Amino acid sequence: EVQLLESGGGLVQPGGSLRLSCAASGFTFSSYAMSWVRQAPGKGLEWVSAISGSGGSTYYADSVKGRFTISRDNSKNTLYLQMNSLRAEDTAVYYCAKAPETYCSGGSCYLHYWGQGTLVTVSS
Amino acid sequence: DIQLTQSPSFLSASVGDRVTITCRASQGISSYLAWYQQKPGKAPKLLIYAASTLQSGVPSRFSGSGSGTEFTLTISSLQPEDFATYYCQQLNSYSYTFGQGTKLEIK
Repeated sequence: EVQLLESGGGLVQPGGSLRLSCAASGFTFSSYAMSWVRQAPGKGLEWVSAISGSGGSTYYADSVKGRFTISRDNSKNTLYLQMNSLRAEDTAVYYCAKAPETYCSGGSCYLHYWGQGTLVTVSS
Repeated sequence: DIQLTQSPSFLSASVGDRVTITCRASQGISSYLAWYQQKPGKAPKLLIYAASTLQSGVPSRFSGSGSGTEFTLTISSLQPEDFATYYCQQLNSYSYTFGQGTKLEIK
């Protein structure tokens, strides 16, 4: 059974940093691309970032480019999101999600398994 | 970035109704579109990918169609468990934007 368990959320001041983790189990982690998607309170879904199975290819939304870094440790079956220079508008539930292919190309980066999410609140 | 516009944003319907939600892309995205269902406090659930392929385990009352810039999600006969918010997502080019959502409520 595929399981994705996010952690690392919490309250952080504007300008601060936070690292989210997503522990994966139930599948061969290194064989699949992964993504982060966020949802601000009462708002819709926003795709944040994706990474290929090897970690060699990464992609970001314009809203986080240069501030957030996606990475993965395939030996630990764990996905990360390093978030720097946080702003109030980054406040959201952050979901990690699994794609069905190794690379995000040709429409293959849809998300068929999701974690339960972790809440990040950016406030002074 | 490619923009996705869903219509309507809110929809009120009754059990047994047939409903259709539309997703329009600001430029052509071939068939690289997915649909998700989200219930309050829960993670989204994949319903359809590649515009019209039903995800395993999803009831056959859900169907998707379209290509290029216009797509539809149809629920043939609404069930009580279908009242939720629905999102489309384009997978043609980074970033993989979502539509703004359609909230389906009980009439």
